[in-house]
Parts: sequence; structure tokens; C-alpha cells
Amino acid sequence: KQEVTQIPAALSVPEGENLVLNCSFTDSAIYNLQWFRQDPGKGLTSLLLIQSSQREQTSGRLNASLDKSSGRSTLYIAASQPGDSATYLCAGGEGGSNYKLTFGKGTLLTVNP
Amino acid sequence: DAGITQSPRYKITETGRQVTLMCHQTWSHSYMFWYRQDLGHGLRLIYYSAAADITDKGEVPDGYVVSRSKTENFPLTLESATRSQTSVYFCASRAGPEQFFGPGTRLTVL
Repeated sequence: KQEVTQIPAALSVPEGENLVLNCSFTDSAIYNLQWFRQDPGKGLTSLLLIQSSQREQTSGRLNASLDKSSGRSTLYIAASQPGDSATYLCAGGEGGSNYKLTFGKGTLLTVNP
Repeated sequence: DAGITQSPRYKITETGRQVTLMCHQTWSHSYMFWYRQDLGHGLRLIYYSAAADITDKGEVPDGYVVSRSKTENFPLTLESATRSQTSVYFCASRAGPEQFFGPGTRLTVL
């Protein structure tokens, strides 16, 4: 059974800092890895999807990497802003036609002005 | 508006009552999912559906029933609500390997 872990559970940084959020998974047969953002009381917003054949994806100030052999994914946020404050969730997708996701418990990021 | 809508957004009910949470998507995605989100557990899959009239259990299906008579709708029913079903419920649909989520329903069972 796939297990996904995110460390740290919470992170507080000053505005402008570059930061890395970590995600580890137990089953290297993971098919894809999806990063989400969740604002308080809101739904999940998809940020980046990395498929198993890819090593990284970029969108604006965000860059996500996937290393299946080590069971790790990282989300890099450049030049953080207070508006980046949210909970960030990673989820591993299994293969086959279902692409069912197994979620980590998230990292609560606070960017201080 | 395009996307996924959920209703109601907030619901308070009593133990033993039947509750149905609605989910509607405008994309015509084949796959739809129901998750619950709880402190300490994260998001867990309750049920999913590959197409109309095709549903399957996820990680935590006990106490829940789903149906999917139309591609765009995927209601989740708690047949006899229990306090342990107090949670935030999210519906999602899938385009290729990527999942997209609705705004959630916060359910409180007293």
C-alpha cells in the first residue's frame, strides 16, 4: 500500500526566501505525482503534475521534481510571497486506468511580510 | 460556470439521519471521486466511478453509498449518519492523470 509523507508539517519563512517542500513515498511504482495547494476552508487547486516518465515540471515560480528511485518529490518555490501562504499537499497516483491518488498530510506554509 | 460544484457547502445533521451530498461537473470527465479530509488523516478516498453506472470502493467506503446515473453527477449518501462521519467531503474528477477538486462540503453530525 502506498504511503506518502510530507515533512515538515509546518514551515514559516520571511518573504522573498526560496524554499523547498518535501514529499516521500514508499512505492516506487508510482505512476505520477501531483502537487496541490489548499487555502483555509477551500478546495484543492492543482499546481503541478509530474508523470512517471518526467523528472520535473515548472510553472512560474514553482518547480516540482520527481525521483522514483529514491521515493522523493520536492516542490521548489522561488522568491516566496505572503500570497503563497497555504497548505501544500502532494499525492501519488497509481497506474492502471484509475490513477487513484494517495495523499500526504500536507505542509502548512506561512510566508511572513 | 465550468468546473465542479458541490452542494450543500455546509450541513449539520443528527446521528441516524440520511444525508446526500451532491457533486456536479461540467467537463464530462469519465472518472469522478469522493474523498474525506480529517485532521490527522489527510484526504482519504471513499468511492470512485469510472463512468455512469460503474462505481468502486476506495479506502474508507463503510457507511457510504454512491450512484452515478449520469456522467455529470456523482452523489454520495450517508445512509445513517454517525459522528465519525463528521468531516469535509471533496468531490473530484479526472482529465487524463490529473485530478480537479470541488470546493468541498463541511458536514457535522451531532
